[in-house]
Amino acid sequence: DAGITQSPRYKITETGRQVTLMCHQTWSHSYMFWYRQDLGHGLRLIYYSAAADITDKGEVPDGYVVSRSKTENFPLTLESATRSQTSVYFCASSATRPSYEQYFGPGTRLTVT
Amino acid sequence: TQLLEQSPQFLSIQEGENLTVYCNSSSVFSSLQWYRQEPGEGPVLLVTVVTGGEVKKLKRLTFQFGDARKDSSLHITAAQPGDTGLYLCAGDNSGGATNKLIFGTGTLLAVQP
Repeated sequence: DAGITQSPRYKITETGRQVTLMCHQTWSHSYMFWYRQDLGHGLRLIYYSAAADITDKGEVPDGYVVSRSKTENFPLTLESATRSQTSVYFCASSATRPSYEQYFGPGTRLTVT
Repeated sequence: TQLLEQSPQFLSIQEGENLTVYCNSSSVFSSLQWYRQEPGEGPVLLVTVVTGGEVKKLKRLTFQFGDARKDSSLHITAAQPGDTGLYLCAGDNSGGATNKLIFGTGTLLAVQP
C-alpha cells in the first residue's frame, strides 16, 4: 500500500536494551523526520534526513541513532533504552524543499520498563 | 524553550458552539501550518498560511496568519463532535532553508454532542 508506515505499532522493552523503530515511505520523498510526542511537549524533532546518507540532529537527539541507506527507509535506534524514552514516536516525510506539508505515519507507542 | 505557544491547552465545548485556538510566538515564521491529530493516528495537515494577514477558510474552519507572521488563530464555527481532536500549529522559522517544522504544544478539543 502507498503511504508511510511504521513498525512495530506497540513495543515494550526493558531498560538497557537496544530497540529499532522502522519507518517506510512509498512516495520517494526526499525528507524524512523522527519525532517523539509527550504530554505537555507536543512533537519534538529527534533527527531528520534530507536525502539518502544525509542525516542531522533535531531538538532531542541524545540516546538515538538513525541511518538512511535507502530513500524509502529511515530506521530509528535506541541504543540503550531508558525510561525517559517511553513515548509515542512518529515518522514523517515531505517532498523536496520548499514543501510545507509533512505526512505522518501512524506512530509507535514505546514503553521502557 | 517552546517557540510556539498554543492556547488554550484543553477545551471542552457543546456541539454548535464556536471556538478559537491561538498559536503565538516571538519569532517570525515564513509559513505556518495547522494539523489535526486523532487518537492513535499521526497528525494530518489542515492548512498552510504563508502571507502575513492571510485568511483561509476550510468549511467551518477559518485560519488566520498574523500581519507580522508571529502568530496564528484557528476559529471553528458551530463545532461538531467530529471536530474532536488535538490541534497542532507548526511553523518554519528557517526562512524556507530546510523542511524542518517547529510544533506547538497542541490544543486538545472535545466537542460534546
